[in-house]
Amino acid sequence: KQEVTQIPAALSVPEGENLVLNCSFTDSAIYNLQWFRQDPGKGLTSLLLIQSSQREQTSGRLNASLDKSSGRSTLYIAASQPGDSATYLCAVQGGSEKLVFGKGTKLTVNP
Amino acid sequence: EAGVAQSPRYKIIEKRQSVAFWCNPISGHATLYWYQQILGQGPKLLIQFQNNGVVDDSQLPKDRFSAERLKGVDSTLKIQPAKLEDSAVYLCASSFSRWGQEITGELFFGEGSRLTVL
Repeated sequence: KQEVTQIPAALSVPEGENLVLNCSFTDSAIYNLQWFRQDPGKGLTSLLLIQSSQREQTSGRLNASLDKSSGRSTLYIAASQPGDSATYLCAVQGGSEKLVFGKGTKLTVNP
Repeated sequence: EAGVAQSPRYKIIEKRQSVAFWCNPISGHATLYWYQQILGQGPKLLIQFQNNGVVDDSQLPKDRFSAERLKGVDSTLKIQPAKLEDSAVYLCASSFSRWGQEITGELFFGEGSRLTVL
């Protein structure tokens, strides 16, 4: 059974700081890994999708890496801004065809 | 392009009552998912459809939850009778990918329907 863990559960940083969010998964047989952002009371917004054959994806100030063999992914946010404050969720899609989510990391960027 | 539409956004009911949620996926998306997100948790898959067929409903509490996607487009999720522990946000998502034919793609989520059971 696939399990996804996200560390830390919460993170508070000053504006401008570079930061890393971590995601680990127990079953390396995955098709892809997705990072989502969730604002309070809102649905999920897809940030980056990494296929199993890829090592990383970049979008603006965001960079996500995938190390399938070790069951790990990181989301790097450069030059953080208060508008980046949200919960970030990692999810993997594997042979069971389900998208399995972690519990998320709640990020607060202080002005 | 219109996103995934869900209604109602909020619903408050008493336990043992029934409730229904509606989802209209992005046009052309074959796969539709219903997820349950309890406060402080990540979303948990309830049911996955490909067109109008069920791919996975292993985590759907079938004694009280039902879902259908009759014409392979929009979908409804029903809870009858509701319990206190059903209080959660119900998220609908869709993707273009067709399981069994290609590697799956990106999921797009709606805003969710927040259910409070008193």
